[in-house]
This record gives sequence, C-alpha cells and structure tokens, in this order.
Amino acid sequence: NAGVMQNPRHLVRRRGQEARLRCSPMKGHSHVYWYRQLPEEGLKFMVYLQKENIIDESGMPKERFSAEFPKEGPSILRIQQVVRGDSAAYFCASSPGTSYSNQPQHFGDGTRLSIL
Amino acid sequence: RKEVEQDPGPFNVPEGATVAFNCTYSNSASQSFFWYRQDCRKEPKLLMSVYSSGNEDGRFTAQLNRASQYISLLIRDSKLSDSATYLCVVTPRAGNNRKLIWGLGTSLAVNP
Repeated sequence: NAGVMQNPRHLVRRRGQEARLRCSPMKGHSHVYWYRQLPEEGLKFMVYLQKENIIDESGMPKERFSAEFPKEGPSILRIQQVVRGDSAAYFCASSPGTSYSNQPQHFGDGTRLSIL
Repeated sequence: RKEVEQDPGPFNVPEGATVAFNCTYSNSASQSFFWYRQDCRKEPKLLMSVYSSGNEDGRFTAQLNRASQYISLLIRDSKLSDSATYLCVVTPRAGNNRKLIWGLGTSLAVNP
C-alpha cells in the first residue's frame, strides 16, 4: 500500500506526557499537511511542511506543539505536556511537489489521541 | 463569519432520490475547491475537485459560482453507500499556500 501511512492509529497518554504522531507521505509526495479534528467539530489546518521546511504553521497552537519533516524519515507532530483538550483525531495528508494549489491532498487513516 | 459554511443537515433521503448540498466561502481570492466525504470520522476522502465550468463524475455533479462565492454538489440516484458527511473544502489563495479550509460538513443519510 503506497498510501499515506500514519502511526500509531490510537494513542493514549496521561496529562503531562508527550505525544509523538508519525506520518509517512505517499510515495513521490514531498508536501505534508497536518489537520486536527476535535470531537463534534470540523477539520482544522495545523501546519504545512516540505522536506526540512515549515511553509505555514498558522494553525499550530503557540505552545507545546511542534512539527518537523526531516530529510530522511517520516513527518512528526509532537505535543508536549498534553492536556485533555488535545484529545482529537490528527490527520496527515500529502501532495506532490508541484506549484499548483489544486493538487488534491491524500489522507492517512489518522491517529486518535486520547488523554486520560 | 466562518470561512466555509455549509448546512449541517442531516439530510434524510430515500434510495434513488436526488439531493443537493450548498456551500459558501468568504474569501473571494480562494483558488481551488473540492468536495470530500468522511465516513464515521474516518479519514476524509476526495470525492471530486470543483472547476469553474462545472464538472460531473458519474452520479455526482459539482458547480462553482465565483461571483456568488458558492459551491454545490448534486447527487443523483442516491445509494445507501452515499450515507456520509460531505465536506466542502477550499484553498485560500494561489501560490505556495495550499492549506485546506474545511466546512463543518453536511450529513447525509440515505434510507432504504
């Protein structure tokens, strides 16, 4: 399966712990996007990355959240000192590295993060 | 005002019915438009892109009206498998910014 791979599918953390969510884009895709869907709410953009660069992080909370997409390996969304309000589904998407904004994004299965 | 607005529904229709969803967006510089569907809060799946001239894919027809900042999706001959949440999505402007701005979705239930 050459689709977008996210892991883990489910992640449980206690308040104050760290959560690391991983995303491997589709083969040949160099653009990665992270979205969050809170319970009973719509999807919200968090961050857009290309290899080794953050292009747009306007949707990231100012504290505790960070993202990276290293030259080698998956993209990582890191949440430090998690709180109950971080419980959500986190979706990663990828798209090809073209200059056209109408390239559709393909989504992974998501990581369901639950904070106890 | 939300950037992308949709009627949340739910729309309950019988099999075989025709149903239409509408969506409005606030940013007149929005560049690209899509309809995605989401089943039971699983990952969103692209249904179709929306082009200025309108486009059709089988039972699905999408229309874009830039002057009114309005997008529509028409589903003909509804199937039980069409039951899902339909998400209207726009990208805010041209160039390097490709983040997707999502509506909250319209819920469709197709009944036997």
